[in-house]
Amino acid sequence: EVQLVQSGAEVKKPGESLKISCKASGYTFTKNWIGWVRQVPGKGLEWMGIIYPDDSDTRYSPSFQGQVTISVDRSVTTVYLQWSSLKASDTAMYYCARHVLDCSGLDCYSEHFDYWGQGTLVTVSS
Amino acid sequence: DIQMTQSPSSLSASVGDRVTITCRASQTISTYLSWYHQRPGKAPKVLVYAASRLESGVPSRFSGSGSGTDFTLTISSLQPDDFGTYYCQQSYNTPHIFGPGTKLEIK
Repeated sequence: EVQLVQSGAEVKKPGESLKISCKASGYTFTKNWIGWVRQVPGKGLEWMGIIYPDDSDTRYSPSFQGQVTISVDRSVTTVYLQWSSLKASDTAMYYCARHVLDCSGLDCYSEHFDYWGQGTLVTVSS
Repeated sequence: DIQMTQSPSSLSASVGDRVTITCRASQTISTYLSWYHQRPGKAPKVLVYAASRLESGVPSRFSGSGSGTDFTLTISSLQPDDFGTYYCQQSYNTPHIFGPGTKLEIK
């Protein structure tokens, strides 16, 4: 059974650093991209970026490029999202999700997130 | 970036009603379009991918259609469990932008 289990809720002060995690199991970890999605309380879903665990190839949304770092540790099948200096505006729920390619042979026609973690609530407040 | 719009932004419907939500991309995205459902306090779940393919385990009352720039999600007979917010997402180019969401309330 595919599972993505995220680390627990965090309460931090502005300027502090943070690294949250997403542990994957139940499938071949290196074969699927994993992404991160932000949801500010009461707002919609924002695609932050994705990483390919096999070679650590990472794609960021321009909105989040330079603001966060996505990384992977293949030895523990875990993907991370980290901040070096948190801001109050980083307060949100963060979801990781497994990304799949929808292909028929070599012909691909879509991609989507098929499994999601339970979310990690990050609160940044002085 | 490709921009996504959805309409309506919210709606209220009764059990048994047929409900249609539309999603439009700012440029052609072929069939690189997915629909997600999110209940309050829960992670999103995929309903439809590749514009019209139903995810395994999703009830057949859900269906998706469209290609290019215009897409629809239809619920043929609304059930009480269908409340929540529906999001479309394009995956044609990164960043894979989500639409702003359609909040569905059951009357």
